[in-house]
Amino acid sequence: GDSVTQTEGLVTLTEGLPVMLNCTYQSTYSPFLFWYVQHLNEAPKLLLKSFTDNKRPEHQGFHATLHKSSSSFHLQKSSAQLSDSALYYCASGGSNAKLTFGKGTKLSVKS
Amino acid sequence: GGIITQTPKFLIGQEGQKLTLKCQQNFNHDTMYWYRQDSGKGLRLIYYSITENDLQKGDLSEGYDASREKKSSFSLTVTSAQKNEMAVFLCASSDWGGAQDTQYFGPGTRLLVL
Repeated sequence: GDSVTQTEGLVTLTEGLPVMLNCTYQSTYSPFLFWYVQHLNEAPKLLLKSFTDNKRPEHQGFHATLHKSSSSFHLQKSSAQLSDSALYYCASGGSNAKLTFGKGTKLSVKS
Repeated sequence: GGIITQTPKFLIGQEGQKLTLKCQQNFNHDTMYWYRQDSGKGLRLIYYSITENDLQKGDLSEGYDASREKKSSFSLTVTSAQKNEMAVFLCASSDWGGAQDTQYFGPGTRLLVL
């Protein structure tokens, strides 16, 4: 079946340094890829998703590039902020209304 | 815009008890989902429904039942609560369940079984 693998566990960064959270996927078709973010005591919400025309999605300073050759959709930001501390999920979507989520990466940004 | 409401917010049960969690959405979305969230295990799909009265099993359906009574509501039943179980159950909805549809999540129900 489909699977999504993310950078595991906790990533700790100093404010101002670049962020990169890895995501790779396995699928028998060409899925759509998503990044969801969940701040403490809040519901997960969409951060960004891949486009059909290969444009690079961006939101709140984050961006991700879908590389079909390497089956990857890494999340990047040039400069981490304290408010970026959250749980990040990568997910892939196919033709059957289901999303396959990775296990999540907790990002902790410190001053 | 819209909102997803989950009740109750916190649920404390006894071992062996049948427990029901409820979810309502006012997006007028066709598809609704129930996920279980455990630390380090991500979001695991329990059941989903692509329309009223439809039910589809997810990867974690054993030990659970679900019911889509009407388009706006989707309930989940834990058929026999397991001792010391602790988890967050998240409800979500999407427009029609297409591959690129965004899923919108509720705030969750936190379950603790004594």
